[in-house]
Amino acid sequence: EAGVTQFPSHSVIEKGQTVTLRCDPISGHDNLYWYRRVMGKEIKFLLHFVKESKQDESGMPNNRFLAERTGGTYSTLKVQPAELEDSGVYFCASSRLLAGRTGELFFGEGSRLTVL
Amino acid sequence: LAKTTQPISMDSYEGQEVNITCSHNNIATNDYITWYQQFPSQGPRFIIQGYKTKVTNEVASLFIPADRKSSTLSLPRVSLSDTAVYYCLVGDIGNTGGFKTIFGAGTRLFVKA
Repeated sequence: EAGVTQFPSHSVIEKGQTVTLRCDPISGHDNLYWYRRVMGKEIKFLLHFVKESKQDESGMPNNRFLAERTGGTYSTLKVQPAELEDSGVYFCASSRLLAGRTGELFFGEGSRLTVL
Repeated sequence: LAKTTQPISMDSYEGQEVNITCSHNNIATNDYITWYQQFPSQGPRFIIQGYKTKVTNEVASLFIPADRKSSTLSLPRVSLSDTAVYYCLVGDIGNTGGFKTIFGAGTRLFVKA
């Protein structure tokens, strides 16, 4: 079974440009989460999809960030326009809809974003 | 969401048992305790989860006292490859199967030969 995959693994852009990160969850996982770690800080929750619906987007920092999950499969996270403070590692995770009590999140390896 | 407190770092030697304790004084009734492991340049990886008493799997054991205000992750006979950051998370697993998690600073475990 393929794990959670994220693309690109590393992106370097200039301030003001746009970047789109992609996450392919494990097949059959209805829950999809985005997290990020900015330099030297803790991993922070950004948002949670259940299928194609945004269940919780309270962690999105501002309206420069837009997440989509069309069709309930892969998800994209767009940053437009990117600012210096957006630099960090963006993680995607997925889990089954009815996980029972396992509560296991499967994480991708992350997309490192560097804004110059 | 319950806040967690863990030691920032720990050192150990190969073959030793390592116990990492996490404090979560304001844990709620519906909260579960989950531990993740993270290697550099990788995403966190699930280790173990529990609600109360003791849980054991092929990788670790999790001890949770009756008041659930703390938990201890026990790694038996660590090896060099167990050098990583270990996160203790506390959260409510709802019926949707998902939960909003808070990662603290984690505990950086360094295993020496």
